[in-house]
Amino acid sequence: DAMVIQNPRYQVTQFGKPVTLSCSQTLNHNVMYWYQQKSSQAPKLLFHYYDKDFNNEADTPDNFQSRRPNTSFCFLDIRSPGLGDAAMYLCATSRGASLSSYEQYFGPGTRLTVT
Amino acid sequence: KQEVTQIPAALSVPEGENLVLNCSFTDSAIYNLQWFRQDPGKGLTSLLLIQSSQREQTSGRLNASLDKSSGRSTLYIAASQPGDSATYLCAVGEDSSYKLIFGSGTRLLVRP
Repeated sequence: DAMVIQNPRYQVTQFGKPVTLSCSQTLNHNVMYWYQQKSSQAPKLLFHYYDKDFNNEADTPDNFQSRRPNTSFCFLDIRSPGLGDAAMYLCATSRGASLSSYEQYFGPGTRLTVT
Repeated sequence: KQEVTQIPAALSVPEGENLVLNCSFTDSAIYNLQWFRQDPGKGLTSLLLIQSSQREQTSGRLNASLDKSSGRSTLYIAASQPGDSATYLCAVGEDSSYKLIFGSGTRLLVRP
């Protein structure tokens, strides 16, 4: 089935140790998004790609970076994780080819723990 | 700046009851509105998408309505079941930006 896949589902990292989260999609969608969701809070958009065009949210910390090497894959790099970065990280896609195709499809998420 | 609010934050109902979840937004210049379901520790599952030109969408026991002028959407769940227990999030799509602004969700518990 076409879907959005995130690996790993659970990630434990040490304070200050760089970590990379992975997202892939088989939907061939143009737009890919990364959200951060803390417990009982709304998902917060970190950045998104339209094809290779990167769009950073104004309040996304510099500690967070992203790469999209091709249509199918997108990575979230956290350069120096702090305790406050522990959260669920959600990847999503949308077709984005026209204004009628904004529906977003989410992956299962990666739960990040920082020790 | 668009703000999305969901009330109540939590709701507990007996099985079989019909229920309504509410979502309000401050800026009526939205492109669409999407309702999601989130099970504990999981990702989001899209339930319904309403384009700004539409008034409602239906899928099985779910019906979502949209009133842009008043900045409101409702999600109606008919004949609720314990398997409907989850957090329900609404999100509005801003014009031409491909982005969604989320509410904090309503945590629903359907008691057997």
